[in-house]
Amino acid sequence: DAKTTQPTSMDCAEGRAANLPCNHSTISGNEYVYWYRQIHSQGPQYIIHGLKNNETNEMASLIITEDRKSSTLILPHATLRDTAVYYCIVRAPAGSGNTGKLIFGQGTTLQVKP
Amino acid sequence: NAGVTQTPKFQVLKTGQSMTLQCAQDMNHEYMSWYRQDPGMGLRLIHYSVGAGITDQGEVPNGYNVSRSTTEDFPLRLLSAAPSQTSVYFCASSYESGTANEKLFFGSGTQLSVL
Repeated sequence: DAKTTQPTSMDCAEGRAANLPCNHSTISGNEYVYWYRQIHSQGPQYIIHGLKNNETNEMASLIITEDRKSSTLILPHATLRDTAVYYCIVRAPAGSGNTGKLIFGQGTTLQVKP
Repeated sequence: NAGVTQTPKFQVLKTGQSMTLQCAQDMNHEYMSWYRQDPGMGLRLIHYSVGAGITDQGEVPNGYNVSRSTTEDFPLRLLSAAPSQTSVYFCASSYESGTANEKLFFGSGTQLSVL
């Protein structure tokens, strides 16, 4: 699975958009980009995932560059409850030598400030 | 639905003691896994299972055993607890294991201290 690079921490003002970057320059053609977050003392929570098209759901948007070497998770209107560690994970589905496990890195600590 | 339920929430052990961390899910998920989380280390995969009767090792399996006799339950056993196993343990499950639509659902964690 491709490695990812994320900033260690970021701040965002409440009500503004939070844009969390992730570099995955060694991503392979069949590898997906997943985002999870972990609010303090809780288990991680799935946010969104994509292959090459931009994706949007009720929680966030995922923008993947055309060369797929990087992506950005966008929280359109950040609230204090969005303060968490955000993990960007790249992996291939099973059948590509991958048995469905996720490798979590260090993530980005997002602090949403009033 | 309760989702993924882990028990206990907190546990203190002495070195050498054994115990079992319980994990149960009511979503009929085939895939289940155990992670540990240590400060500055992120989450690391211990063991996982793609279905009843099937288990495999993750990144850090030493000192832990698992079994999967039912779809619902995936207990993690510490055979002889060591201080290095002090950590927060998370259980996770998912449907469509290994497909592009796989989404992990995590429990609330077990905080384990080994003295």
